[in-house]
Amino acid sequence: DAGVTQSPTHLIKTRGQHVTLRCSPISGHKSVSWYQQVLGQGPQFIFQYYEKEERGRGNFPDRFSARQFPNYSSELNVNALLLGDSALYLCASSLGLGPYNEQFFGPGTRLTVL
Amino acid sequence: QKEVEQDPGPLSVPEGAIVSLNCTYSNSAFQYFMWYRQYSRKGPELLMYTYSSGNKEDGRFTAQVDKSSKYISLFIRDSQPSDSATYLCAMSASAGGTSYGKLTFGQGTILTVHP
Repeated sequence: DAGVTQSPTHLIKTRGQHVTLRCSPISGHKSVSWYQQVLGQGPQFIFQYYEKEERGRGNFPDRFSARQFPNYSSELNVNALLLGDSALYLCASSLGLGPYNEQFFGPGTRLTVL
Repeated sequence: QKEVEQDPGPLSVPEGAIVSLNCTYSNSAFQYFMWYRQYSRKGPELLMYTYSSGNKEDGRFTAQVDKSSKYISLFIRDSQPSDSATYLCAMSASAGGTSYGKLTFGQGTILTVHP
């Protein structure tokens, strides 16, 4: 069975550009969450979506946005990129909401902003 | 002050040693406690999951939660070189609010087990 998949694997952008990251959850999972992991730090929560609705948002600026599609896949968009946005962006899927639902992580997209 | 504090290490031990990894937290709303393992260039994978105080054992791994002290631990017995990875503690509140299901992670501890 396929796990959580993310694309692209790596991405290099310059300051001020826009980026779109994509995530496909495990089949049957209806919730997708996005996390940012800066080098040497633990992941930080950005968004959670369930049944195409935003159900949680972390402390990130409005430059960050996301959406979930009818097939439960998701996109994370970041506008006006800053050097500090360089990080590993992780997508996690789970069957449903709630902390008792195990979150399965994808391999991440490594974003470098020059 | 961060909600979850974890000693980043790095920690280097010989094969067969007992490893102790720890996290402290400040948010008393946390009810669910997890340990993830993250290999280089991979996403985190769930190792242990506990709810409320007490111990939970799974093979060579034991997770301990002390909610009165706001302290959690992961013990690895008979450590192997394949256990070399970054270990992340994570926590979640029990219900409701705008961040239901949100995981709050520690900084991660880098562990190296040498043969």
